[in-house]
Amino acid sequence: AQSVTQLGSHVSVSEGALVLLRCNYSSSVPPYLFWYVQYPNQGLQLLLKYTTGATLVKGINGFEAEFKKSETSFHLTKPSAHMSDAAEYFCAVRSTGGGNKLTFGTGTQLKVEL
Amino acid sequence: ETGVTQSPTHLIKTRGQQVTLRCSSQSGHNTVSWYQQALGQGPQFIFQYYREEENGRGNFPPRFSGLQFPNYSSELNVNALELDDSALYLCASSLAPGTSAMRNEQFFGPGTRLTVL
Repeated sequence: AQSVTQLGSHVSVSEGALVLLRCNYSSSVPPYLFWYVQYPNQGLQLLLKYTTGATLVKGINGFEAEFKKSETSFHLTKPSAHMSDAAEYFCAVRSTGGGNKLTFGTGTQLKVEL
Repeated sequence: ETGVTQSPTHLIKTRGQQVTLRCSSQSGHNTVSWYQQALGQGPQFIFQYYREEENGRGNFPPRFSGLQFPNYSSELNVNALELDDSALYLCASSLAPGTSAMRNEQFFGPGTRLTVL
């Protein structure tokens, strides 16, 4: 079984400040990890993913995430927040053991203030 | 390249009715997965279709059923609607299921917002 925990359902930052969204996972086999963004009334857009190899993953819009196996974490960061980053962010895990089911966290709503 | 499309965009039904939601997969994709996203929650996996057969199912009752057609488009059917079925229903398409993350990357459609009164 696999699961995802996103700490903080709401995060507020000032424009230009560091963005840090937390994600911890549980998986019985090595996981594939994903971050998706969802703007109001829209579907999910893939920000970045970790499969194998380099543990620091760079995605779109200046976001990056680091896979830390020892901490079972995959936190999402961006050095400088922009107003357009305001959205809901979902961390997801998929087992490498086959199948194609994504298990999502409950999401973190990011608010960016002037 | 055409992305994933879903219809209708919004739908209002009453309790006990039946509903059919439709999804067209991205060009070249042969696998479709359906997710339910209740308000304030993350998406939850309903089921996946590959080669016109169900290929994995989440914790949803049998009144949630689906179809996949030879052109890889898909339908989600929900019978005997309940108030708790109100949600955004997301469809995602991907290449054939397997262990390769590249082949398994899922591309999501904009969703169908279902309201059950």
